[in-house]
Amino acid sequence: AQTVTQSQPEMSVQEAETVTLSCTYDTSESNYYLFWYKQPPSRQMILVIRQEAYKQQNATENRFSVNFQKAAKSFSLKISDSQLGDTAMYFCAFMKPLFGNEKLTFGTGTRLTIIP
Amino acid sequence: DAGVTQSPTHLIKTRGQQVTLRCSPKSGHDTVSWYQQALGQGPQFIFQYYEEEERQRGNFPDRFSGHQFPNYSSELNVNALLLGDSALYLCASSFGVAGGETQYFGPGTRLLVL
Repeated sequence: AQTVTQSQPEMSVQEAETVTLSCTYDTSESNYYLFWYKQPPSRQMILVIRQEAYKQQNATENRFSVNFQKAAKSFSLKISDSQLGDTAMYFCAFMKPLFGNEKLTFGTGTRLTIIP
Repeated sequence: DAGVTQSPTHLIKTRGQQVTLRCSPKSGHDTVSWYQQALGQGPQFIFQYYEEEERQRGNFPDRFSGHQFPNYSSELNVNALLLGDSALYLCASSFGVAGGETQYFGPGTRLLVL
């Protein structure tokens, strides 16, 4: 079974700074997908970024980018120029892309606070 | 384009009761997954529905059951509620079966069992 580990329960940074959230996972699969989701206090889970394991290029979405290290099974999220609206729980998630097995396996989350 | 919707937003039940939660997927999506998120934890997969059938199930007892309708909407039923069933229940929708489809989440239903 796959496991996802987020070793930073809480982090805080000043507005406009850059912050990196860590995620490691354990799998014997060679093809899979990784996701970062954001859950603000309003509780709706929002997709931040997605990475396909067979793509070596790191995914980016505006101020959000990942550092995907497949051999190390590491998938960190970097948030540049952090904004107050980035305050939220961030969850790393793993998906094995097999028909009939599309579930997401989540980590325990990192609570990120952006300080004005 | 409407996103994933869930009802109700909050629910209070007592032990032993039964509850039904509802989910409407994002327009164009045909697959619905349900997750349970205990306080301070990451979501845990309950089950997934595609073409009105349960396609995959997580490690949850048979008290948890579901249904998908022809319009792709879905219900989650929990029987004989326990205090430990108190959680945020999230519905997520996706499209297709090619593998690796992104799941989009609804706002959740907060269930409190007293």
